Amino acid sequence: RKEVEQDPGPFNVPEGATVAFNCTYSNSASQSFFWYRQDCRKEPKLLMSVYSSGNEDGRFTAQLNRASQYISLLIRDSKLSDSATYLCVVNALYSGAGSYQLTFGKGTKLSVIP
Amino acid sequence: NAGVTQTPKFQVLKTGQSMTLQCAQDMNHEYMSWYRQDPGMGLRLIHYSVGAGITDQGEVPNGYNVSRSTTEDFPLRLLSAAPSQTSVYFCASRPSTGTSPLHFGNGTRLTVT
Repeated sequence: RKEVEQDPGPFNVPEGATVAFNCTYSNSASQSFFWYRQDCRKEPKLLMSVYSSGNEDGRFTAQLNRASQYISLLIRDSKLSDSATYLCVVNALYSGAGSYQLTFGKGTKLSVIP
Repeated sequence: NAGVTQTPKFQVLKTGQSMTLQCAQDMNHEYMSWYRQDPGMGLRLIHYSVGAGITDQGEVPNGYNVSRSTTEDFPLRLLSAAPSQTSVYFCASRPSTGTSPLHFGNGTRLTVT
């Protein structure tokens, strides 16, 4: 089982639509969770952290389900500028390494169409 | 605030050549790391460091060396470049608190012919 798994998409949605991405993770000891956004040929950039109680940042809502080991990202009122690849990231303490390591999903590609 | 700075942005090497990818951060972050990103593979950790003088291997360390003589700098050395090392390389850093997100540099696009 892959450590962090995402549907690669692509998700092609019209402007104004609501779209949701899910991500599952295998390490039950994972401590923190993030969504990153990556534009074509650019570096990943932090979109938002994901908190246990769920959190919202404008049109974006992130949720965490520890029992089922998945996180989600909901984008409301999609804009053309939301077109990008969204990376699910999980942070866990690896005993062998003695430090926290981030594991990245392969990303979900979103295209918002006019 | 420059954040994480990588140089060069682009590089073409011939098989067998060596080179160093530079990475510097001005945020006083203890943790620094190198990733490579290939189509369909996602980001894979090459090496990381939890502080000056301390480095460790990640998922795909073969063919690469690192050192961390200062908090600010974390260079990645390719000892003898191979076509399989053609990739986009990202340097990233974060504070020492283990649960913080990573801040990425702009990346280096490397082609080995």
